[in-house]
Amino acid sequence: GAGVSQSPSNKVTEKGKDVELRCDPISGHTALYWYRQRLGQGLEFLIYFQGNSAPDKSGLPSDRFSAERTGESVSTLTIQRTQQEDSAVYLCASSLDGGGSEETQYFGPGTRLLVL
Amino acid sequence: GDSVTQMEGPVTLSEEAFLTINCTYTATGYPSLFWYVQYPGEGLQLLLKATKADDKGSNKGFEATYRKETTSFHLEKGSVQVSDSAVYFCALSYTSYGKLTFGQGTILTVHP
Repeated sequence: GAGVSQSPSNKVTEKGKDVELRCDPISGHTALYWYRQRLGQGLEFLIYFQGNSAPDKSGLPSDRFSAERTGESVSTLTIQRTQQEDSAVYLCASSLDGGGSEETQYFGPGTRLLVL
Repeated sequence: GDSVTQMEGPVTLSEEAFLTINCTYTATGYPSLFWYVQYPGEGLQLLLKATKADDKGSNKGFEATYRKETTSFHLEKGSVQVSDSAVYFCALSYTSYGKLTFGQGTILTVHP
């Protein structure tokens, strides 16, 4: 079946503009995660959605970052007033139900964001 | 807080050489441990995992053993191939919902 998809694959924007990144999880997966990977660094957790529960936003770096998810489907990550330090690859992952530390997460190909 | 430290790369090997990529972790309890791999042009994918002490994860000839006493999860392969060239990430998950904490990644290049 189809894996996790993300769009756009690349995004170049000017400092101060808003950007919206999209993630389509694997069908039937109720848990969805966003991570960020800055150049030369490991992946950083940003936010987690599980069904209709309140999301865990503990990894969002500032109030310029927000994310939404409609039910158990598409999620969008929005970055307002982008800064150069927001340049990174943004990865989305989904898992079946997020119900345990051993569950496998399936990753999308990522969106490479460059803020000029 | 929880953290994962990987050996610094990049690592360059000849085909059929033995591979070790070191990974150590800091956690307040007993996390699950993972190795993820990212092949050129592809997304991150699970390579192997271990969920409790002394468990050995294995896949595609790669192995890693969960060592609680040394808080380590080193990745090994007896004979690497050119197709193993990729970036390897060690990670842990400690929360009830599986949020992953990653190491910084190790670039592996295998030459014929």
